[in-house]
Amino acid sequence: GAVVSQHPSRVICKSGTSVKIECRSLDFQATTMFWYRQFPKKSLMLMATSNEGSKATYEQGVEKDKFLINHASLTLSTLTVTSAHPEDSSFYICSAITGSPYNEQFFGPGTRLTVL
Amino acid sequence: AQTVTQSQPEMSVQEAETVTLSCTYDTSESNYYLFWYKQPPSRQMILVIRQEAYKQQNATENRFSVNFQKAAKSFSLKISDSQLGDTAMYFCAFTVGAGTASKLTFGTGTRLQVTL
Repeated sequence: GAVVSQHPSRVICKSGTSVKIECRSLDFQATTMFWYRQFPKKSLMLMATSNEGSKATYEQGVEKDKFLINHASLTLSTLTVTSAHPEDSSFYICSAITGSPYNEQFFGPGTRLTVL
Repeated sequence: AQTVTQSQPEMSVQEAETVTLSCTYDTSESNYYLFWYKQPPSRQMILVIRQEAYKQQNATENRFSVNFQKAAKSFSLKISDSQLGDTAMYFCAFTVGAGTASKLTFGTGTRLQVTL
């Protein structure tokens, strides 16, 4: 149980275009999902907390107009990188909380975004 | 603010040997949870082990065990009988609260290489 999927696993886009990344909890309902960004050989940097049916909470320094997050259902959250630029190239990972008392997060396999 | 420190950027261990990865944290909270996550070359984050702060007994999961020293705010991971498949980045992480969605604070990671 507690499987999280992400789609796509890799995406290459041109500068100025928008890219949508999906995060799904496959066998549980997730009222809360998280979006992280990871640079090469670095730790995970939390970008935002996504709550079903409400606006996402963004971390300081993360542009909410650049990184649009929608959590429309209990199993799906999406991250849209708008007007992508090469500096947005990174590895994006989502996670979801199962509702256990331990607050453990289960992670998706990640999406590698390359902006040309 | 909570912080997590992993002072060993890289470590190496021979197959079948034992290795200990260090982690210290800082918090003023009394109720929290600690985790070790593994990120192999596939980059899929995998939960290795968790520890509830209110439990004095150290958590164990097969070959993985922790040494939780609450007063010293230390949470080290011991891997026994190391296997080649243990080669990965290991992240120590911290979250606050019980039963509520809460953010994970990650350390900077330790890259573990298991050699023949």
